[in-house]
Amino acid sequence: EIVLTQSPGTLSLSPGERATLSCRASQSISSTFLAWYQQKPGQAPRLLISGASNRAAGIPDRFSGSGSGTDFTLTISRLEAEDFAVYFCEQYGSSPWTFGQGTKMEMK
Amino acid sequence: QMQLQESGPGLVKPSETLSLTCTVSGGSIDTWYWSWIRQSPGKGMEWIGYVYYSGSTDYNPSLRSRVTMSVDTSKNQFSLKVISVTAADAAVYFCARGPNSSGFDIWGRGSLVTVSS
Repeated sequence: EIVLTQSPGTLSLSPGERATLSCRASQSISSTFLAWYQQKPGQAPRLLISGASNRAAGIPDRFSGSGSGTDFTLTISRLEAEDFAVYFCEQYGSSPWTFGQGTKMEMK
Repeated sequence: QMQLQESGPGLVKPSETLSLTCTVSGGSIDTWYWSWIRQSPGKGMEWIGYVYYSGSTDYNPSLRSRVTMSVDTSKNQFSLKVISVTAADAAVYFCARGPNSSGFDIWGRGSLVTVSS
């Protein structure tokens, strides 16, 4: 199975700052099948990005995704208070579909 | 707008069977894949398996011997059964639409399952 490793584990930033989250795969995956999710406490994950770079409906343009092969990045250009949450990457190109362990974005 | 809602017992005894149902509202279960995903502090997010509206399935090899999924298109529901549960099966269980071209694009709110005698 494809293992996804996210870094950093925790990111401490202030509103207005730029956030860069990394997701590295144990083997190459098609960028068509890489997604990012946001999860807040007690809630289900919300799809942010699919196909490595395509924002889901209703997702603000401050969220962007990039990458290919084994290295993928989620960037939040200017953090807002509502963005402090846990972020997961996930690959859906090869069964079993797998998730990264998450990056917790906390307010500094 | 399509919504998913998990239902089932929140407490299961060790060695017994965990059973959950996901009800799809605001849209048809037809033409989609439907998954169960669980989340626990120890294992993180784990995809359990999917059932297609036609009834075909695919399961995570780590759970394949203990998992069964089914779909009831007449009720717009799909279900999960996990036999011989242990403490390691304690988690929040989510149902979700997918995998599709966007991954898992709609999720239920989750159902907490505790395993205890």
